[in-house]
Amino acid sequence: DIRMTQSPASLSASLGETVNIECLASEDIYSDLAWYQQKPGKSPQLLIYNANSLQNGVPSRFSGSGSGTQYSLKINSLQSEDVATYFCQQYNNYPLTFGSGTKLEIK
Amino acid sequence: QIQLVQSGPELKKPGESLKISCKASGYTFTDYAMQWVKQAPGKGLQYMGWINTQTGKPTYADDFKERFVFSLETSASTAYLQINNLKNEDTATYFCARTEGYWGQGVMVTVSS
Repeated sequence: DIRMTQSPASLSASLGETVNIECLASEDIYSDLAWYQQKPGKSPQLLIYNANSLQNGVPSRFSGSGSGTQYSLKINSLQSEDVATYFCQQYNNYPLTFGSGTKLEIK
Repeated sequence: QIQLVQSGPELKKPGESLKISCKASGYTFTDYAMQWVKQAPGKGLQYMGWINTQTGKPTYADDFKERFVFSLETSASTAYLQINNLKNEDTATYFCARTEGYWGQGVMVTVSS
């Protein structure tokens, strides 16, 4: 199975700041990576697919980058509504696997 | 619009069974596989496996090869997750999901004596 190592586990930042979340795959996943945002009591919402493609309706302050085994999610100009847990997921190989999540809070 | 609507919360005792439904609408059901994901309370997302909606063939992740059954009712555009011989550690929210970011609202399952 492909292991997804996500960091940091938690993050506290001020409104308007830029934050970065990283995911490291245990092998090359050829950009088959998605980023999800999950708020308490809700299902995950797709933000980014194919490592860097923005899902329809997602604000442009979210962006994804990376290739091979290293990927990142960047949130520019942090807003209060961005408070959530963020997960990466690889879909290059079954079983699909998720990172352990990053809990983002406002400082 | 595309929707996945799941059944309601469940409270069960250890050893019992349950069956969760996931009804799809807004697209051709057999065009996309259905995935299942478990989220224990306060924990991350765990991939359970998927079912081929054209053939009905299920594929289970290693941790879900015993006691878990994926099935379909294609005429009703519905996928099912059955869990047999429930254990306390099955307490979780279970999501169905399709590719391109479509997820059900989740079913909270509580297993307690």
